[in-house]
Amino acid sequence: QQQVKQSPQSLIVQKGGISIINCAYENTAFDYFPWYQQFPGKGPALLIAIRPDVSEKKEGRFTISFNKSAKQFSLHIMDSQPGDSATYFCAAEDNYGQNFVFGPGTRLSVLP
Amino acid sequence: SQTIHQWPATLVQPVGSPLSLECTVEGTSNPNLYWYRQAAGRGLQLLFYSVGIGQISSEVPQNLSASRPQDRQFILSSKKLLLSDSGFYLCAWSPPGFRNQPQHFGDGTRLSIL
Repeated sequence: QQQVKQSPQSLIVQKGGISIINCAYENTAFDYFPWYQQFPGKGPALLIAIRPDVSEKKEGRFTISFNKSAKQFSLHIMDSQPGDSATYFCAAEDNYGQNFVFGPGTRLSVLP
Repeated sequence: SQTIHQWPATLVQPVGSPLSLECTVEGTSNPNLYWYRQAAGRGLQLLFYSVGIGQISSEVPQNLSASRPQDRQFILSSKKLLLSDSGFYLCAWSPPGFRNQPQHFGDGTRLSIL
């Protein structure tokens, strides 16, 4: 119940296309959902985060969509660029601030 | 601004040797501190977290231990390394006393056991 499922495991997109990564959770106590971006040889860095009181959050080319009833959330990268090639992790934290879990990650490759 | 430092960046150790990885945070007080391990092409496995000096919680049984001798210093250790200890070790911090705050990661230590 503490897990966050993430798909796909890997994703190849053409430059200019839309990249979509999906995550799902079971624990209804989760109420904070950040996404992290990790380049090879580096630590993950916060990309964008959402709380369940909104259904969508957009920052530049990155958008999180959140479906509370389905317990699913997704990251959309519009106009994907080769520089977006990285591993993306979704995560979730519960409303007690005690449980913080990461999804298994999605390796995104954007072809030039 | 806050910064997190990890060293060394890479380390090659023989099986059975000891290990000490260090992480320090600057620009904040009493941070929550975390050690993660990431196997090649895999997700993040939480190893230890600490909410204060001398307070360490272990998430999985293993060959490793952690200590927090100072407020902003977090150390990962082993007395005798195993082949299975190879991986990418990441330290992270988050603000104290607040929930729903992101974790901020260092650039990691790549550990290879021979």
